[in-house]
Parts: sequence; structure tokens; C-alpha cells
Amino acid sequence: NAGVMQNPRHLVRRRGQEARLRCSPMKGHSHVYWYRQLPEEGLKFMVYLQKENIIDESGMPKERFSAEFPKEGPSILRIQQVVRGDSAAYFCASSPLNSVAYEQYFGPGTRLTVT
Amino acid sequence: QQQVKQSPQSLIVQKGGISIINCAYENTAFDYFPWYQQFPGKGPALLIAIRPDVSEKKEGRFTISFNKSAKQFSLHIMDSQPGDSATYFCAATGANNLFFGTGTRLTVIP
Repeated sequence: NAGVMQNPRHLVRRRGQEARLRCSPMKGHSHVYWYRQLPEEGLKFMVYLQKENIIDESGMPKERFSAEFPKEGPSILRIQQVVRGDSAAYFCASSPLNSVAYEQYFGPGTRLTVT
Repeated sequence: QQQVKQSPQSLIVQKGGISIINCAYENTAFDYFPWYQQFPGKGPALLIAIRPDVSEKKEGRFTISFNKSAKQFSLHIMDSQPGDSATYFCAATGANNLFFGTGTRLTVIP
């Protein structure tokens, strides 16, 4: 059973470009979470999605950031017009239906560098 | 605003010693307190979790102690091994969200 997959693992973008981060949850998992980790800091919650539905986006910046989890295919975190402050590791986690909140399985992360 | 405060930031322990990491929280609505282990280049992995109505939980060499009145909890790693060297995060759950501490980088010296 493959774990949570994220790609790309490393992404370099120039200021003003768009970044697209992909997350494929574990087989059978219907919930996806996105987190951002800055150097020497813990993970900060961004958004919680189910298929075709955003459940909680209280951690998402109001502008330039969006997320989706379509009926088919991976979840996508999209950052438009990236700035240097967006440089971070972005982690995706998935969980099965009716699980407790801490039962999240994390992917290896995408390290975004904005130059 | 940091919902969960964690200390120390880094910790060096001799092989065979006890590693202790402490966390504190303010929000009494949190309903679970998990700990995660993260190796470089990897995502966090769930280690052990405790409910607020339990004072201690042990799994192998890992023990969580929980003090509800003080709103504090800690992770003890007994007989620490070099393979335990990693970053450890405490967390708290509430409303389907996970709130992480800032992490403790543990180094176990052979």
C-alpha cells in the first residue's frame, strides 16, 4: 500500500510565477490536508479538503493561494505570483473517513524555493 | 499566535539516557495530544497520542505524561538510541485541525 505521494519533491520558481503542488492520498483515504513548514518551525495548517469540497480553509492566505481535490486525480495546492516569503516545505496529509483528527499520514513534502 | 508551545528547541542526549521534551497549551477545547517524529527530508510520522482524561500512556520506550490542570504534556524517550535522532513535534487537535509545536531537534550521541 503506497503512502501519500507528493510531487514534485523540489520546485524552484522565480518571483511572479505560479507554483502547483500535487498530492495523491493513500489508497482509500478521502480526506486531504495541506500544511506549510518554515525553517525551524512547526507545521502550520492551511486547508482541509474532501473530494470536490473544501471543508476548512481557515489557514490559507486570503490571496494567491488556492486548493482543490477533484473527483478524479490528485489534490492540487496552487500558489499564484509567488514571492520569496512563499519559500517553505509544503506537506500534504491524508486520512480515512471517520478517523480521529490526529490520524493523518504525511507525504514527504514539496520544498518550494522562490528566487 | 502559537497554540502549542514546545521546549527545548534542541536536545543532546547520550545513548541510553532519557530524552524529555515538554509542551504547553492554552485551549482547553483540544481533544487529543499526539507526538510526531520527523526525519530529515521526510514528513512527520505519528508516534503516540493521548487523550486529556489520561495521565500517562506508554508505548515501548516512548511515554507521554499529561498534566491537565497545568495544561502541560511531555514526551519521555527511555534508553535513547542514535536511531532516535530526529525532530519531534508535539501537537494538539481541535475541530479537525492539528496545531503543531515548533519542534525539538534531538541528537543521541553514541
